Amino acid sequence: DTEVTQTPKHLVMGMTNKKSLKCEQHMGHRAMYWYKQKAKKPPELMFVYSYEKLSINESVPSRFSPECPNSSLLNLHLHALQPEDSALYLCASSRGGLAGNTDTQYFGPGTRLTVL
Amino acid sequence: AQSVTQLDSHVSVSEGTPVLLRCNYSSSYSPSLFWYVQHPNKGLQLLLKYTSAATLVKGINGFEAEFKKSETSFHLTKPSAHMSDAAEYFCVVSESPGRRALTFGSGTRLQVQP
Repeated sequence: DTEVTQTPKHLVMGMTNKKSLKCEQHMGHRAMYWYKQKAKKPPELMFVYSYEKLSINESVPSRFSPECPNSSLLNLHLHALQPEDSALYLCASSRGGLAGNTDTQYFGPGTRLTVL
Repeated sequence: AQSVTQLDSHVSVSEGTPVLLRCNYSSSYSPSLFWYVQHPNKGLQLLLKYTSAATLVKGINGFEAEFKKSETSFHLTKPSAHMSDAAEYFCVVSESPGRRALTFGSGTRLQVQP
């Protein structure tokens, strides 16, 4: 099973709201990722967790707050977002370990976020 | 630094004709290369990957790609296009060892005409 699940599928929020995106995998992967994808653009890396620790933060604004409660779960907490943050948010996971650059990343279906 | 260039932003073919999506890369290390496909409003699905084994890589749905180090290319091909192949295709290179981030090309939109 190579499935990564994401909830919710769609989310509409106001600029003062607090919401969370959830990502789950049961493949025993130890690396998990958040990407942001604007329309007609490739995904842009936001965060990487390796063995439940944050290893990469691509200078993402603090209104995005990631959390990795355990090896199967990855959250993205959202607060005080701007309309330009509207995008498809993709989660991915990979095996992890020392051979990091050969790992395949498996992507979830994404959450379509609209900020009003 | 790693980089990927997809040479065509849009490719249109007729159903049943061959598909060629072109990708060039640059890498300071022995790269791992991937092709992903994204159908509208969907996540990314892995088509195939190259990790320094056989240079001709076969993937799902009849796609294959050939790694050519001398040309720094990793073009994606399929002998006969199907309507369901219409999607966005991304060529991707891995970062240097130990850094688990991917570098994406800008994408090629494949249109398949009946």
